[in-house]
Amino acid sequence: SQQGEEDPQALSIQEGENATMNCSYKTSINNLQWYRQNSGRGLVHLILIRSNEREKHSGRLRVTLDTSKKSSSLLITASRAADTASYFCATDEHNNNDMRFGAGTRLTVKP
Amino acid sequence: EAGVAQSPRYKIIEKRQSVAFWCNPISGHATLYWYQQILGQGPKLLIQFQNNGVVDDSQLPKDRFSAERLKGVDSTLKIQPAKLEDSAVYLCASSLGTVEAFFGQGTRLTVV
Repeated sequence: SQQGEEDPQALSIQEGENATMNCSYKTSINNLQWYRQNSGRGLVHLILIRSNEREKHSGRLRVTLDTSKKSSSLLITASRAADTASYFCATDEHNNNDMRFGAGTRLTVKP
Repeated sequence: EAGVAQSPRYKIIEKRQSVAFWCNPISGHATLYWYQQILGQGPKLLIQFQNNGVVDDSQLPKDRFSAERLKGVDSTLKIQPAKLEDSAVYLCASSLGTVEAFFGQGTRLTVV
């Protein structure tokens, strides 16, 4: 079964704007990861946040994790056309180390 | 550092035929995953190996799908016999454990 569920399913913004994507999950986790997938390509790891962390930054990316609400958000600041892709969250069930993905958010950044 | 290698990149078969996919993970990565990604959906975990042992195959349709990872390195995923609904991209990924996973380019399977 899928673990994480992303919201919204699709997001269209103008270049320079910020993009926020959300992920909700169902069970306890050790960590949560965000991945990016360009059309027809494999997934690329963006950032990992552990269950004892609340916020993490990497370049233009900011990830938050709220374990009480079982949710995470990915913020991309100052978006670029090259950020156009699908974004997925992946979670592991506690003590299992598996990695299960949601349906993803398809982001379109218009130049 | 070489990435995760998968072959073939594309495969077209008729329903009821058999097909096999191959994956060579990054050297030293003990964990290997196989995912099925249907167009427009997220990757669905089929099977996870830790070295040559199966950690999770709860979502693998075992009546037609099988996977092995002999010697804890390369892995093969087989479908026998294929159905139309098996048309998807099959992704292989590897990792050192509870850290980031590296994905191959995938094998796009079309069953006609």
